[in-house]
Amino acid sequence: NAGVTQTPKFQVLKTGQSMTLQCAQDMNHNSMYWYRQDPGMGLRLIYYSASEGTTDKGEVPNGYNVSRLNKREFSLRLESAAPSQTSVYFCASSDSTGFYGYTFGSGTRLTVV
Amino acid sequence: RKEVEQDPGPFNVPEGATVAFNCTYSNSASQSFFWYRQDCRKEPKLLMSVYSSGNEDGRFTAQLNRASQYISLLIRDSKLSDSATYLCVVNPRSGTYKYIFGTGTRLKVLA
Repeated sequence: NAGVTQTPKFQVLKTGQSMTLQCAQDMNHNSMYWYRQDPGMGLRLIYYSASEGTTDKGEVPNGYNVSRLNKREFSLRLESAAPSQTSVYFCASSDSTGFYGYTFGSGTRLTVV
Repeated sequence: RKEVEQDPGPFNVPEGATVAFNCTYSNSASQSFFWYRQDCRKEPKLLMSVYSSGNEDGRFTAQLNRASQYISLLIRDSKLSDSATYLCVVNPRSGTYKYIFGTGTRLKVLA
């Protein structure tokens, strides 16, 4: 089925470890996004990529890096995980207009201990 | 003031009831508006876009009031399966892709 695929679905890290969250979409969308969702705070934008070859910071970029590998794939890297990065991470994609809304992946539940 | 504000609820309603949620936004130049549904521990899914003239999809009606800067979602004949969190989403400027999400309104439909 067409959509946005995220891996892994669950991850437990120790403080200081690194990891990369993977995201791929097969909807031929130009724009891709990484959000985190924490209780009572809603979805907050970490980074986004308006088109292949570009990335920009969102609301909460500190502690993260991203790579837009090609049109389909957009990865999020935690270089040195901290307990404050315990969250649910969602990848999303949209067309260039943003007029039709986002399609989200199923999320990655990350716990940093 | 938050850019997008919603009453967190929960709204507890019996099956068959009609329930309405409002969402206010602060940027009068906002371009696009949406309602998303999010089930517990799942990703948000687009429920409906909100058009200036208002729009309806089955039991769901969405309306936009630009003068007062709010959007609304009306659910008629509530079903148990409507229990979820409803997110209000606003695209603040034309040509940008950075939607602003409300924190959501939780709905519980009771048997």
